[in-house]
Amino acid sequence: QSVLTQPPSASGTPGQRVTISCSGSSSNIGTNTVNWYQQFPGTAPRLLIYTNNQRPSGVPDRFSGSKSGTTASLAISGLQSEDEADYYCAAWDDSLSGVVFGGGTKLTVL
Amino acid sequence: EVQLVESGGGLVQPGGSLRLSCSASGFTFSRCAMHWVRQAPGKGLEFVSTISSDGGRTYYADSVKGRFTISRDNSKNTLYLQMSSPRAEDTAVYYCVKDLNSGSYIFDYWGQGTLVTVSS
Repeated sequence: QSVLTQPPSASGTPGQRVTISCSGSSSNIGTNTVNWYQQFPGTAPRLLIYTNNQRPSGVPDRFSGSKSGTTASLAISGLQSEDEADYYCAAWDDSLSGVVFGGGTKLTVL
Repeated sequence: EVQLVESGGGLVQPGGSLRLSCSASGFTFSRCAMHWVRQAPGKGLEFVSTISSDGGRTYYADSVKGRFTISRDNSKNTLYLQMSSPRAEDTAVYYCVKDLNSGSYIFDYWGQGTLVTVSS
């Protein structure tokens, strides 16, 4: 069981807006920032969102992140077929003194 | 261009040992904290270990503490993970990961990964 909780799957049609949640606790998301990673099958993850809502260069502005209390969210607007991938949230956990990940959400574009 | 190239993976027997290496280029290696993150087959990501930019501080997940040792050679731009007494549950793809800053725990570049299989 992952420390951070994500829905195992999400889906949407092209052009739609999809949101993926990441639920934690006061020792991780409640007090620390959240990062999101995107992973295509058979490839390494890549940084998608950092410090809750910052995009690295090269990440389309269709991707956005937010955080409220102990829950973070990743939103993808104008969904495209190439967005089909696994998405992971991560945060530092003060109690465990380490980074914790969500279990991942597999996004399907219908 | 940042490049992280892992090597050293393969088949290892339970209780044996294996050393993973990660050759880094395209950035000032000696200024960056570095990490190892692993992914068991068909599973999610798991943080394994971190080392500070000068090698003076290290951190380990409880699952590997006392068995794995992270180290680095800044003169060779190389990161290492010494795996001792591996168990079947250590079977995974091991990624070498660069920190965005020094100790931010934001993983901004990942290597392609090296597969470690622990089996007799």
